[in-house]
Amino acid sequence: KQEVTQIPAALSVPEGENLVLNCSFTDSAIYNLQWFRQDPGKGLTSLLLIQSSQREQTSGRLNASLDKSSGRSTLYIAASQPGDSATYLCAVTWYGGATNKLIFGTGTLLAVQP
Amino acid sequence: GAVVSQHPSWVICKSGTSVKIECRSLDFQATTMFWYRQFPKQSLMLMATSNEGSKATYEQGVEKDKFLINHASLTLSTLTVTSAHPEDSSFYICSASYGAGTSGSHGETQYFGPGTRLLVL
Repeated sequence: KQEVTQIPAALSVPEGENLVLNCSFTDSAIYNLQWFRQDPGKGLTSLLLIQSSQREQTSGRLNASLDKSSGRSTLYIAASQPGDSATYLCAVTWYGGATNKLIFGTGTLLAVQP
Repeated sequence: GAVVSQHPSWVICKSGTSVKIECRSLDFQATTMFWYRQFPKQSLMLMATSNEGSKATYEQGVEKDKFLINHASLTLSTLTVTSAHPEDSSFYICSASYGAGTSGSHGETQYFGPGTRLLVL
């Protein structure tokens, strides 16, 4: 069964700290992996998308890496800010599945303390 | 660009009534729209995928007669929760994608709406 798992479920850090969020997935035959941000009671904002042929993507203070062989991705956030507080979701699209079907992890709730 | 809206943002209804949720792509034509459900402290679960002008494809375990999806135009999809019950209370999120490929191709970015919170009393 194709599943996505995220740890930790929640994380609290002081402002300015660098942090890493983890995502693991079963079945390494992925098409791509995406990281999203969800603010309370809101929809999703796409942060980074990594194709299966890529090993990492960067956007500003965010860096996402992908290791298909081990079934893992990490989201690195540098110099965290209170505005980074949100739930971070990773989602995977696998080959052989329906068009653009995203399987989401349960998310990591991040709180950055000022 | 690529903005998706949902209406209403929240709704409270009595058990047994039907509720319609709209999903609109405001500045692009969406070839495909997706409906997700998110229960508290859980992740998003795909309910169904719809292409404009054709019947929706429902995920296993989702009752198509209870969750009616209509994708009548390239900018509008509706989800109707029929005979809603308290267990249907959830956060419903839609997404829309457009792409050069035909249906069945991967890699088309999904743009998500802000969600609709449904509470059934």
